[in-house]
Amino acid sequence: AQSVTQLGSHVSVSEGALVLLRCNYSSSVPPYLFWYVQYPNQGLQLLLKYTSAATLVKGINGFEAEFKKSETSFHLTKPSAHMSDAAEYFCAVKISAGKSTFGDGTTLTVKP
Amino acid sequence: NAGVTQTPKFQVLKTGQSMTLQCAQDMNHNSMYWYRQDPGMGLRLIYYSASEGTTDKGEVPNGYNVSRLNKREFSLRLESAAPSQTSVYFCASRPSGGVYEQYFGPGTRLTVT
Repeated sequence: AQSVTQLGSHVSVSEGALVLLRCNYSSSVPPYLFWYVQYPNQGLQLLLKYTSAATLVKGINGFEAEFKKSETSFHLTKPSAHMSDAAEYFCAVKISAGKSTFGDGTTLTVKP
Repeated sequence: NAGVTQTPKFQVLKTGQSMTLQCAQDMNHNSMYWYRQDPGMGLRLIYYSASEGTTDKGEVPNGYNVSRLNKREFSLRLESAAPSQTSVYFCASRPSGGVYEQYFGPGTRLTVT
């Protein structure tokens, strides 16, 4: 069965530093993978998705993620953190035609 | 285009009371979902509707019922609320075809005392 594991429930970076949020997946078939962001007191919104077209996926707000089959990873990165990036981030994988399963989330704190 | 809307935004219930959480989407999506979000546990699927007139249980359906009233609306009912149902509830929708990402509402924060 497909699943995702997010490594690190909390990540703290300084403004301007690299952001790296880790996600590993388990899937017996080529996966569809997603990163969502949740700002305080809001619903989730899609940051980016991997659908096998390209291994490096660019999303909104300067985020990108690289699909690495050999490492079963789909880590989210941003070269330079902004204060506005403080949020909770969820990795997800499609598990059936209609459903996805979500990781437990990583809270990103950005220090001035 | 409002996307996915949920009402109410906040609710406090006493144990044993009932209530219905409302969700509507104006994007003509076929699939709709109800999730609950608890600290450190990500999102867990309660119920899912692939299309009008169909519903399926998700990971944590006990204590809940749903109604897919029409293509736009998908409601979640708690018949007899329990403190374990204190959570933030999110509704989501997804278009048909080869699109698998979901579009989320702003959530309902429910406290059961």
